[in-house]
Amino acid sequence: RKEVEQDPGPFNVPEGATVAFNCTYSNSASQSFFWYRQDCRKEPKLLMSVYSSGNEDGRFTAQLNRASQYISLLIRDSKLSDSATYLCVVTAPSGGYQKVTFGIGTKLQVIP
Amino acid sequence: DAGITQSPRYKITETGRQVTLMCHQTWSHSYMFWYRQDLGHGLRLIYYSAAADITDKGEVPDGYVVSRSKTENFPLTLESATRSQTSVYFCASEAKVLSGSSPDTQYFGPGTRLTVL
Repeated sequence: RKEVEQDPGPFNVPEGATVAFNCTYSNSASQSFFWYRQDCRKEPKLLMSVYSSGNEDGRFTAQLNRASQYISLLIRDSKLSDSATYLCVVTAPSGGYQKVTFGIGTKLQVIP
Repeated sequence: DAGITQSPRYKITETGRQVTLMCHQTWSHSYMFWYRQDLGHGLRLIYYSAAADITDKGEVPDGYVVSRSKTENFPLTLESATRSQTSVYFCASEAKVLSGSSPDTQYFGPGTRLTVL
């Protein structure tokens, strides 16, 4: 089983739609969780951190479910500019350092 | 300019040649990383460095060498390039949060697209 699993998609959604991605992780000792965004042929950039209580940033909502070991990202009112690949990132302690594991990403295509 | 830069941005080389990819950051972040990204795989850690002169292997270190004589630079060397090392390489640095419960954040360079013929 992969340490971090994501549905690679693509998710094709119309503008204005709400779309949700899930990401599961296997290490119960995982401590920090993030969503990164990666545009085609560009570097990943932090979209948002994911906190235990859930957090929202504008149209984006991230949630963490430690019991089921998954995190989610909800995008409301999708814009064309949201088209990108969304990477789930999980960190866990490993030999005194926080090992960072990236999912393969979920590709979102917002259609006019 | 502040930030994290990589050079070259594109490189084509031949099997067996030595190649060095450069990474430079201006934030004085203590941690730096090298990843490779291939289709069907997430970003995979090659090597990381916690500080100058401190480096450690990641998930896929074979065939790569790193050094960190200065905090701001973290070059990655392919000693004898192979076709399987054709990939996009990203360097990253990490902003350590000194207090509170906020998670750490990694900042990525623009990447180097390496092709080994």
